[in-house]
Amino acid sequence: AQSVTQLDSHVSVSEGTPVLLRCNYSSSYSPSLFWYVQHPNKGLQLLLKYTSAATLVKGINGFEAEFKKSETSFHLTKPSAHMSDAAEYFCVVRPSGSARQLTFGSGTQLTVLP
Amino acid sequence: ETGVTQTPRHLVMGMTNKKSLKCEQHLGHNAMYWYKQSAKKPLELMFVYNFKEQTENNSVPSRFSPECPNSSHLFLHLHTLQPEDSALYLCASSQVGGGDQETQYFGPGTRLLVL
Repeated sequence: AQSVTQLDSHVSVSEGTPVLLRCNYSSSYSPSLFWYVQHPNKGLQLLLKYTSAATLVKGINGFEAEFKKSETSFHLTKPSAHMSDAAEYFCVVRPSGSARQLTFGSGTQLTVLP
Repeated sequence: ETGVTQTPRHLVMGMTNKKSLKCEQHLGHNAMYWYKQSAKKPLELMFVYNFKEQTENNSVPSRFSPECPNSSHLFLHLHTLQPEDSALYLCASSQVGGGDQETQYFGPGTRLLVL
């Protein structure tokens, strides 16, 4: 069985300060991990993905995430927040060998203050 | 976002109505998915189609009826829905082939309100 825990339901940062969105996962097999972002009234957009290559993954819009197997974590970071980053972020796990069964976290709402 | 399109974007229906949601993908993928996103709940996988064949039905009530006429189109037919079915319905598509190819790409969703 697999699960995903997003440790914060809401995160607020000031514009220009770093962003950290935390995600821990549980999976029986070597997983693939994803971060998706959802802006208001929009679908989910893929930010980045880890699929057993480099553990530090760079995504779009300056985001990156590091896969840490020992900590079962896949935290999302960005050095400097922008107002346009305000959205909901979802951490997603897919175990290897399971082609389609994604497990979504409950989401973290990011607020960026001016 | 233009890779996967969904229509309509918003839908209001009564409990006795019949309506359909449409999804179309322009990415050359061969797997398509329906998800339900309710307030305060994680995304729920509803159906999976692989090469037009349904491969997963995640215990979805029969008032939701999917149809996949080809690899590019996916429908969700709705009838006699309940107010608790109000949600954002998301369509996604992916390639079938393992690993990186199976990354799912999502449409913008249909916001459904059942009165």
